[in-house]
Amino acid sequence: GIQVEQSPPDLILQEGANSTLRCNFSDSVNNLQWFHQNPWGQLINLFYIPSGTKQNGRLSATTVATERYSLLYISSSQTTDSGVYFCAVIMRAGSYQLTFGKGTKLSVIP
Amino acid sequence: NAGVTQTPKFQVLKTGQSMTLQCAQDMNHEYMSWYRQDPGMGLRLIHYSVGAGITDQGEVPNGYNVSRSTTEDFPLRLLSAAPSQTSVYFCASSQPGVGEQYFGPGTRLTVT
Repeated sequence: GIQVEQSPPDLILQEGANSTLRCNFSDSVNNLQWFHQNPWGQLINLFYIPSGTKQNGRLSATTVATERYSLLYISSSQTTDSGVYFCAVIMRAGSYQLTFGKGTKLSVIP
Repeated sequence: NAGVTQTPKFQVLKTGQSMTLQCAQDMNHEYMSWYRQDPGMGLRLIHYSVGAGITDQGEVPNGYNVSRSTTEDFPLRLLSAAPSQTSVYFCASSQPGVGEQYFGPGTRLTVT
């Protein structure tokens, strides 16, 4: 099946710093989503981005489908950004099964 | 618009007991699914449904049953709980063709 690899697995940032999280996938995808799992366990939709670039406030994401990777940028990080960031993909059109990476655990310290 | 709701939030079972995890959505989404999340891992698909009366197995279906009698509800049943089913369970829904999936708040299940 499709493999989804996220890097780095852990990241510690000083408040105010910028970061880039990476998601590599082993095959063509029809759907790609980024989620933030907050310390209370809730999964929050960040981006639905099978291709192209999107921005939402301090967060932006870029997916280069032809090269099988996606990047999540976090600028001016805040302590509330802490948690685990997941990339999840759907491989083929008509399927709804999301395959998740293992996540990047982000800790933002004051 | 409550989105995807799940009950209960927490549950402790003894080995061999049965229970049903509830999931409901008010967005009129056709697609619903159940995932489990184990420590240090991403989510894995248990079962899914593409509409009322239609269900299918995901990656890790053993030990779980589902049914879909209405568009809104998609319960997950554990017939005989085992310690290996200790996990956090998430329900998700989406509209066909749109792709973006929305997740409920999760149910934390412990089987002793």
